[in-house]
Amino acid sequence: EAGVAQSPRYKIIEKRQSVAFWCNPISGHATLYWYQQILGQGPKLLIQFQNNGVVDDSQLPKDRFSAERLKGVDSTLKIQPAKLEDSAVYLCASSLEAGAGEQFFGPGTRLTVL
Amino acid sequence: DAKTTQPTSMDCAEGRAANLPCNHSTISGNEYVYWYRQIHSQGPQYIIHGLKNNETNEMASLIITEDRKSSTLILPHATLRDTAVYYCIVKITGNQFYFGTGTSLTVIP
Repeated sequence: EAGVAQSPRYKIIEKRQSVAFWCNPISGHATLYWYQQILGQGPKLLIQFQNNGVVDDSQLPKDRFSAERLKGVDSTLKIQPAKLEDSAVYLCASSLEAGAGEQFFGPGTRLTVL
Repeated sequence: DAKTTQPTSMDCAEGRAANLPCNHSTISGNEYVYWYRQIHSQGPQYIIHGLKNNETNEMASLIITEDRKSSTLILPHATLRDTAVYYCIVKITGNQFYFGTGTSLTVIP
């Protein structure tokens, strides 16, 4: 079974630029999550989708971050404009259903904002 | 969801059992205990979870005290590939995960 795919694996941008990350979850998984992991900390949930609807985006900085999951499969997370403090690893995860205990994580995208 | 307390770091000799403690003294009756681990430069990986009873799978064993205020993750024969950050999380089904900072386990040859 293929795992959660993410691209790119690494991205370096300058502050005030925009960036987008892509995630393809495990086939058949209805729930998709985006996490932000700052160096030395555990992952923090940014947004959770159930199919193509948003379940929880309470910790998403909506002034600069946006995410979509148009057909209930792939998802894109965008940052515009980026700030220095956005430097982190962005992890995508999926699960069969919302609230499921076992989430499957992708390898993440490491973003560096200069 | 209840908060957890874990040691910042631990060492374990290769081939020996690694016992990782977690304190969750404010856990409520419907909160599960989950363990994930994160190997360097990878996403977190599910290990095991339980509610009241001890659990075992191919990766590890989870021992939950009778009062459920603490638990221990046991890796029976640690290998170098078990070097990772281990997260203990308690949550109600349907709620999101709060990962905390975890325990950095180093397996020593």
